[in-house]
Amino acid sequence: QVQLQESGPGLVKPSETLSLTCAVSGYSISSGYYWGWIRQPPGKGLEWIGNIYHSGSTYYNPSLKSRVTISVDTSTNQFSLKLSSVTAADTAVYYCARLYSSGWAGCWGQGTLVTVSS
Amino acid sequence: QSVLTQPPSVSGAPGQRVTISCTGSSSNIGAGYDVHWYQQLPGTAPKLLIYGNNNRPSGVPDRFSGSKSGTSASLAITGLQAEDEADYYCQSYDSSLSSYVFGTGTKVTVL
Repeated sequence: QVQLQESGPGLVKPSETLSLTCAVSGYSISSGYYWGWIRQPPGKGLEWIGNIYHSGSTYYNPSLKSRVTISVDTSTNQFSLKLSSVTAADTAVYYCARLYSSGWAGCWGQGTLVTVSS
Repeated sequence: QSVLTQPPSVSGAPGQRVTISCTGSSSNIGAGYDVHWYQQLPGTAPKLLIYGNNNRPSGVPDRFSGSKSGTSASLAITGLQAEDEADYYCQSYDSSLSSYVFGTGTKVTVL
């Protein structure tokens, strides 16, 4: 049974870089699938941030592309999100997920709230 | 401002059938991209309900079904139960945006 768990700071200052890690258990990232990040501002809907394929190919939401980096570490079976130059608009619950080629997310982490505030 | 529009809310009595629409355009649903549906219970992560327009993952009751036609898709819940009270989101891909997109979300209330 694959499980995903997000970790990282819950509070980030404006203009700084948000960094989150997703630890995957029960499945080896290097074996396949896409691994991605999706966020949800408080009381609002879902927004796709980006995916990384197990080979390392990345796909980003064009609206965030200039600020986003997703990377994978197969040695620790984790993948990470970095979002630079954050503002209050980046305050959200951030979810990591395992995705299939047509985009559906079959397995999600529990989510972690990141607040951008000074 | 999502490109996939859902009604903000739908409601029904226990046992009834409700449907949730997901209206897109020629650059997403109408272009042939698959539609997927998620259920989000209060305070929890979304859960996959339907993938590839009308496929249910293992463990999802057959009370949930999906369909797609033209530039729209629908999620139907038959035999509505109290535990179905949640937010529901559709998802597809938009070629104009070059991005996966989610619907605006629909809150289902069981009366």
